[in-house]
Amino acid sequence: DQQVKQNSPSLSVQEGRISILNCDYTNSMFDYFLWYKKYPAEGPTFLISISSIKDKNEDGRFTVFLNKSAKHLSLHIVPSQPGDSAVYFCAATVNQAGTALIFGKGTTLSVSS
Amino acid sequence: DGGITQSPKYLFRKEGQNVTLSCEQNLNHDAMYWYRQDPGQGLRLIYYSQIVNDFQKGDIAEGYSVSREKKESFPLTVTSAQKNPTAFYLCASSVRGGGSNQPQHFGDGTRLSIL
Repeated sequence: DQQVKQNSPSLSVQEGRISILNCDYTNSMFDYFLWYKKYPAEGPTFLISISSIKDKNEDGRFTVFLNKSAKHLSLHIVPSQPGDSAVYFCAATVNQAGTALIFGKGTTLSVSS
Repeated sequence: DGGITQSPKYLFRKEGQNVTLSCEQNLNHDAMYWYRQDPGQGLRLIYYSQIVNDFQKGDIAEGYSVSREKKESFPLTVTSAQKNPTAFYLCASSVRGGGSNQPQHFGDGTRLSIL
């Protein structure tokens, strides 16, 4: 049973517009959430994270929102750029337990110029 | 320059052979992880180690083995018992627990194929 779900396999956006990638989770024990970006044949690179005690974290063009009651988080990219085209993975963990990350299946973002 | 090195980048295995994937890190991280990625799938945890000489099974450990004799190294052996070994294998490391503001860092992966 998937604990972290990314229900949209792909997303296409025009350059300059907003990209919104969504992620749902089922385990209420998760207290730390991360987004990774991955290009083909490379390892994922860390993008942004959020603790469960917050509902928003912003870093430049990237903002992550967390809705604990809905067990939902989203990644906003504004403005989107062609270089943002990649696979984006949502991940979650029970931070205090020191457990490994649980990843979603990823969403492929394509930004066209 | 600190980072994680996985070698080789491409690996071919004959049926019935064991093969070992290398992962080395110079980030002074206590914890190391092995994931497997299949097309259209997320990263699935094979094994992880929070400290030297200790490791835990992940969700798909069957057919794999690991060792953690040194802090810097966490090799993964894909045994002949693994029935579907063709995949992209990713190694990662973090401070113990991968806690807040200390996310996992990944290597560039090894693609394993069966001949």
